[in-house]
Amino acid sequence: GAGVSQTPSNKVTEKGKYVELRCDPISGHTALYWYRQSLGQGPEFLIYFQGTGAADDSGLPNDRFFAVRPEGSVSTLKIQRTERGDSAVYLCASSLDTYRDRGRGTEAFFGQGTRLTVV
Amino acid sequence: AQKVTQAQTEISVVEKEDVTLDCVYETRDTTYYLFWYKQPPSGELVFLIRRNSFDEQNEISGRYSWNFQKSTSSFNFTITASQVVDSAVYFCALSADNQGGKLIFGQGTELSVKP
Repeated sequence: GAGVSQTPSNKVTEKGKYVELRCDPISGHTALYWYRQSLGQGPEFLIYFQGTGAADDSGLPNDRFFAVRPEGSVSTLKIQRTERGDSAVYLCASSLDTYRDRGRGTEAFFGQGTRLTVV
Repeated sequence: AQKVTQAQTEISVVEKEDVTLDCVYETRDTTYYLFWYKQPPSGELVFLIRRNSFDEQNEISGRYSWNFQKSTSSFNFTITASQVVDSAVYFCALSADNQGGKLIFGQGTELSVKP
């Protein structure tokens, strides 16, 4: 597709359950980012992939959160033992190769997000 | 540490008024990038502009203009002759050159343009 695609758009789950959120980046974009946006706040960085590897996972709040990108395109954000505080919109973004693009900054394109509600 | 502050939580204007959204940033990096994104009710963040730290030239794009001043660490955004379609949440963001494109966002300013 032309843009970043995230599925599902909405997810309601019970406390303690496991969830997976999927992100399909723009074709050819090697950098992929996950952010979390709580109501009334700006997006907060979670993790960044360059290709298949996680280049920076410093934003993951704890070990219940994990993300993979096995083939360097689609990424899955996994949350174990969900808690009510995990409720938020999870945003995915992609951009061109950040190393080649160095010196011009990196313009990230965002998906519409997955709204996760833990009840 | 890097930080972006958008002190205006909400702004309400009447159509055709000009409005300025403030953004103040903090960073110790000498090379960095500043961004503005628009988030309409649909939720998708829409890129508006990117500025690098070495280019303080102001930019105008149609009704939008940006004023970057390193001396005051500010990157303000002005909409001239606002329209109802401009109603959205606007985010200012910062990225350091050695951070791989990771964005630090402000808390956003919700702009409401009334007819």
